[in-house]
Amino acid sequence: AQKITQTQPGMFVQEKEAVTLDCTYDTSDPSYGLFWYKQPSSGEMIFLIYQGSYDQQNATEGRYSLNFQKARKSANLVISASQLGDSAMYFCAMREGGETSGSRLTFGEGTQLTVNP
Amino acid sequence: NAGVTQTPKFRILKIGQSMTLQCTQDMNHNYMYWYRQDPGMGLKLIYYSVGAGITDKGEVPNGYNVSRSTTEDFPLRLELAAPSQTSVYFCASSYWGQGPYEQYFGPGTRLTVT
Repeated sequence: AQKITQTQPGMFVQEKEAVTLDCTYDTSDPSYGLFWYKQPSSGEMIFLIYQGSYDQQNATEGRYSLNFQKARKSANLVISASQLGDSAMYFCAMREGGETSGSRLTFGEGTQLTVNP
Repeated sequence: NAGVTQTPKFRILKIGQSMTLQCTQDMNHNYMYWYRQDPGMGLKLIYYSVGAGITDKGEVPNGYNVSRSTTEDFPLRLELAAPSQTSVYFCASSYWGQGPYEQYFGPGTRLTVT
């Protein structure tokens, strides 16, 4: 079974509007973390936001927020006030386990976001 | 800090050739990783290391080897290159001690095997 599922291969949004990128995950480990990374066309991986499984509040970082619904095992990324520079591939990733697991990440297949002017 | 550096940026190999992808980090991170990213896909873990002298396999280790003799360096060795190893390779590092333990990525090496 897929551990991280991103069901939207491509998404389009108008500049200045908000957009939600979906991510569902599967784990039986009570201790895990969820990450979102951005990969622009230049190829680098840019860390955006993190949510720990024990965090009580949804994470926010500037225009990025993570809608964490633990019971539904979803960790959707919300980008507010989209900008042309937000056009990129977005990856959801999960870290399971503690120190001995090496803090490894499992990535989803990604969502290509295009922001239209 | 340079962060995570990788060399080379691009490489073309012939089938059966071998090469080493270099990765160095200057953040004193104890964890390091190698991922590959095939076109239009997510990243898959090849190998990882939790400290000097300690390495372990990830999801797709076949055809690769690693070593970690220092905290800073984590080279990836490709033996007998095959077309299926055509991919972009990312090295990453992270620190265990304070959350969120995000991984810092290098710029990637684009490898083509023909």
